[in-house]
Amino acid sequence: KQEVTQIPAALSVPEGENLVLNCSFTDSAIYNLQWFRQDPGKGLTSLLLIQSSQREQTSGRLNASLDKSSGRSTLYIAASQPGDSATYLCAVLFVGAGNKLTFGGGTRVLVKP
Amino acid sequence: ETGVTQTPRHLVMGMTNKKSLKCEQHLGHNAMYWYKQSAKKPLELMFVYNFKEQTENNSVPSRFSPECPNSSHLFLHLHTLQPEDSALYLCASSPEGGSRNQPQHFGDGTRLSIL
Repeated sequence: KQEVTQIPAALSVPEGENLVLNCSFTDSAIYNLQWFRQDPGKGLTSLLLIQSSQREQTSGRLNASLDKSSGRSTLYIAASQPGDSATYLCAVLFVGAGNKLTFGGGTRVLVKP
Repeated sequence: ETGVTQTPRHLVMGMTNKKSLKCEQHLGHNAMYWYKQSAKKPLELMFVYNFKEQTENNSVPSRFSPECPNSSHLFLHLHTLQPEDSALYLCASSPEGGSRNQPQHFGDGTRLSIL
């Protein structure tokens, strides 16, 4: 079964510390992996999309890595700020799943001033 | 502005009511999606429309009826819902449903509560 898991479910760090968010998936046959941010009561904002052929993507303070063979992706957020507090969701487009993105349960992040 | 607008933002309805959720995208995309986000469960895909044609139905009960009159608009018609249908319903769009490397753009969702 194609599944995506995010551990831990919640994370609290002091401002300025680097954030490391983990995502694991059960099948290495993927088209892409995406990281989203969700603020309370809001929809999802796409942060980074890593294609199957790529090892990482960077945008500003964000860096996402992809290791298909081990079924893992890591989202790094450098020098965290209180405004980074949100839920971060990982989603995978598996081969053979059509257009169906499979989401992890998310990691709820709190950055304390 | 997100580019994907959903109305209403909040909806409370009884189990015997009929209501509709609306989604509109201003991004020129050709694929639109309905997702359900329940408490304590990962976000789940419900339906996919590509160029106005339904291409995926993720085993959704018939009390949810989607409609896509054109590539910019997507509706979700609701009737005889159950309390477990209370959730955040999210709409998304992407340039084309078959494109593997384009991110989906999400609206802010409709928070639905069934009494």
